Amino acid sequence: QSVLTQPPSASGTPGQRVTISCSGSSSNIGSHTVSWYQQLPGTAPKLLIYSNDQWPSGVPDRFSGSKSGTSASLAISGLQSEDEADYYCATWDDSLNGWVFGGGTKLTVL
Amino acid sequence: QPQLQESGPGLVKPSETLSLTCTVSGDSVSSSSYYWGWIRQPPGKGLEWIGTVYYTGSAYYNPSLKSRVSISVDRSKNQFSLKLNSLTAADTAVYYCARTRQVPKYFYMDVWGKGTTVTVSS
Repeated sequence: QSVLTQPPSASGTPGQRVTISCSGSSSNIGSHTVSWYQQLPGTAPKLLIYSNDQWPSGVPDRFSGSKSGTSASLAISGLQSEDEADYYCATWDDSLNGWVFGGGTKLTVL
Repeated sequence: QPQLQESGPGLVKPSETLSLTCTVSGDSVSSSSYYWGWIRQPPGKGLEWIGTVYYTGSAYYNPSLKSRVSISVDRSKNQFSLKLNSLTAADTAVYYCARTRQVPKYFYMDVWGKGTTVTVSS
């Protein structure tokens, strides 16, 4: 069982907006910034969002992140077929003195 | 653009020790801005953080693995390494190395290796 809680699956049709949630606690999301990762099938994870809502170079602004209290969200607008992937949230946890990941959300583009 | 490449055995026997190395190019493990980490992913499952190391040798480990794991850095070779002992089938996974930022306001892993598959089996 993961320290950060994500829905196991999400889906949408092309062009739609989809949101993936990540729930934590005061020792992790409540205290530190959140990053999001996209893992396409058979590939390594890729940094999608850092510091809650910042884009690394090359990531389209269709992807956006937000954080409120002990929860964070990833929103994908203008959904495309190539967005079909697993998405993970992550941050530091003061109680564990280490990194924690969400269990991952499998996004299906219908 | 920095690149990371994992290397090591693909098959290891139960109870033995796994040794993996991550070779860094386009950046230096001696950088004071980053930590260097290991993450694994069992087949069909999510990501699990193993640990991270700083260029000074200071390391953080996942509490669930701490008794079995050691991560070190070799500044002369621009590499960092993972050792995991007392292996069981549950350690079968794809192992990734990643460049990691872990300072207040900045927690992220921005460069990942392609991963190496490790199977624990006799």
